[in-house]
Amino acid sequence: EDKVVQSPLSLVVHEGDTVTLNCSYEVTNFRSLLWYKQEKKAPTFLFMLTSSGIEKKSGRLSSILDKKELFSILNITATQTGDSAVYLCAVMGSGAGSYQLTFGKGTKLSVIP
Amino acid sequence: DGGITQSPKYLFRKEGQNVTLSCEQNLNHDAMYWYRQDPGQGLRLIYYSQIVNDFQKGDIAEGYSVSREKKESFPLTVTSAQKNPTAFYLCASSMGTPPDTQYFGPGTRLTVL
Repeated sequence: EDKVVQSPLSLVVHEGDTVTLNCSYEVTNFRSLLWYKQEKKAPTFLFMLTSSGIEKKSGRLSSILDKKELFSILNITATQTGDSAVYLCAVMGSGAGSYQLTFGKGTKLSVIP
Repeated sequence: DGGITQSPKYLFRKEGQNVTLSCEQNLNHDAMYWYRQDPGQGLRLIYYSQIVNDFQKGDIAEGYSVSREKKESFPLTVTSAQKNPTAFYLCASSMGTPPDTQYFGPGTRLTVL
């Protein structure tokens, strides 16, 4: 059974801090790892990672994948109150001939002024 | 505007009633998905469909049913057999074969009274 574990489950930081969110996984026939940001409603797509060691960046957010150790991290620098959200990690495998996303429980990030 | 729409936003149901949640997309995506999200839990896959007139059970399909008669539409029926239906329901779609990045609709919050 595919499994995704995120840590920590919740985190409170002050504006300007840098945070690192963790995601470890076990999946049949790994295909990709995705990060989403969820603020109350629909998760919005942040990154998709398929290759080890290649950092994806978007503004203050960045992410990297380690396929050997089966984990990914999401970094947010100079945090702002608008970064407060639940960050979801999901992994796509191709077990049993189908392609499904398995989600972790998420990390709830609260950024206080 | 391209996107995924879900209706209604909020839904209240009495115990013993079936209810149908709507999901429509105009992104020309082949694959569509239904997830359930409970507090403190990640997203769990209910059903998915990779092409019209075909769908597969996800991890928690019991008490739910779907149809995929049109590419744009993937309605979910929550039946009276679902023991604990109160939850936030998210619909997603993706393109490509195999599918990768999934994009989400705004969700429907179902409450059983």
